[in-house]
Amino acid sequence: AQSVAQPEDQVNVAEGNPLTVKCTYSVSGNPYLFWYVQYPNRGLQFLLKYITGDNLVKGSYGFEAEFNKSQTSFHLKKPSALVSDSALYFCAVRDLGAGSYQLTFGKGTKLSVIP
Amino acid sequence: KAGVTQTPRYLIKTRGQQVTLSCSPISGHRSVSWYQQTPGQGLQFLFEYFSETQRNKGNFPGRFSGRQFSNSRSEMNVSTLELGDSALYLCASRLPSSGNTGELFFGEGSRLTVL
Repeated sequence: AQSVAQPEDQVNVAEGNPLTVKCTYSVSGNPYLFWYVQYPNRGLQFLLKYITGDNLVKGSYGFEAEFNKSQTSFHLKKPSALVSDSALYFCAVRDLGAGSYQLTFGKGTKLSVIP
Repeated sequence: KAGVTQTPRYLIKTRGQQVTLSCSPISGHRSVSWYQQTPGQGLQFLFEYFSETQRNKGNFPGRFSGRQFSNSRSEMNVSTLELGDSALYLCASRLPSSGNTGELFFGEGSRLTVL
């Protein structure tokens, strides 16, 4: 069974500083990995995905993620944080063994960008 | 292009009642999934529908059911509500032609409170 771990419940970063939100995964076979963001009282918005190819994936709003197969990690990064980036971030992995399209999500990391 | 639309956005029910939530996917998206989000359990997969057929169901009791109509709109029903059913219910759609690599597009969610 697939699993995703987000080791930090909360990450605080100063505006303008680089940010990293960590994610590690466990899958059998090739991982299909996703990052989503959720603002208060809203649904999830897709940020980026890794399927295959280049280990550095670029996504929406200046976010990028680095896939590391040996460390089974898929950390979300941004060079310069904005206050508007404050939100809840979810890492997810596609469950290929379920016979349908099903995502397994991490518990989420609350990002707070301090002005 | 309109996004995933969920109704109602908020509702309050009492224990023992039942509730029906509605989801209209993005035009052209024939796959609809439902997820439950709670502070304690995070995001959990409920079920996926494609072409009016349930393809998979998560680990939820039989009180949770759903269906999909010929126009791809979907409903989920929860009978005999319990306090623990209080949650944000998220619907998501995708293009099945995107295969394994496509991402989910989420609605804003229906927030259910059970008193």
